[in-house]
Amino acid sequence: NAGVTQTPKFRVLKTGQSMTLLCAQDMNHEYMYWYRQDPGMGLRLIHYSVGEGTTAKGEVPDGYNVSRLKKQNFLLGLESAAPSQTSVYFCASSYGAPNYGYTFGSGTRLTVV
Amino acid sequence: LAKTTQPISMDSYEGQEVNITCSHNNIATNDYITWYQQFPSQGPRFIIQGYKTKVTNEVASLFIPADRKSSTLSLPRVSLSDTAVYYCLAVKTGANNLFFGTGTRLTVIP
Repeated sequence: NAGVTQTPKFRVLKTGQSMTLLCAQDMNHEYMYWYRQDPGMGLRLIHYSVGEGTTAKGEVPDGYNVSRLKKQNFLLGLESAAPSQTSVYFCASSYGAPNYGYTFGSGTRLTVV
Repeated sequence: LAKTTQPISMDSYEGQEVNITCSHNNIATNDYITWYQQFPSQGPRFIIQGYKTKVTNEVASLFIPADRKSSTLSLPRVSLSDTAVYYCLAVKTGANNLFFGTGTRLTVIP
């Protein structure tokens, strides 16, 4: 039982390049989330999904897109990376509403130069 | 979203009990109080949740007084491995997402 798996763990991008971060969960959770964490800022919600085929914007969605084509996967895309997107990205999933508790992945450290 | 306020940092010696207080003056009657723990280079981990009075599990205890304007996370006999950031959240039943503040950075000293 792997829980929440994020791929890749580390990545360095040049400004303007694109990439996709993959989040996979094997717990049959309905809800999935993408957060970013910057020093001194706590975690900020980028996008989330309450079920397969659905997505919604969070607190800081600009510059990111997401897709939830399969229940177990939640993809985060950066179409044209900017240095301001240098951050640690965390994916989380939940059985249902947040009061059920989140399970987080181990994070992806992204550096945009 | 109900806002919570907690100390930025705390230090404690090994073996002591640590109490981290969280203020939440305007939570709704159906909000839960939830705490997460985050170790360096890891994602946050759910540790405990409560609605009122006292909840205890193998990791911590959570005390919520009757007025629910604050709550206290209690960690018994901390060790060096309890050094982490602890987040207090007010979780609204039926909400779609969680708001994480900056948490309390606990440092356990030998």
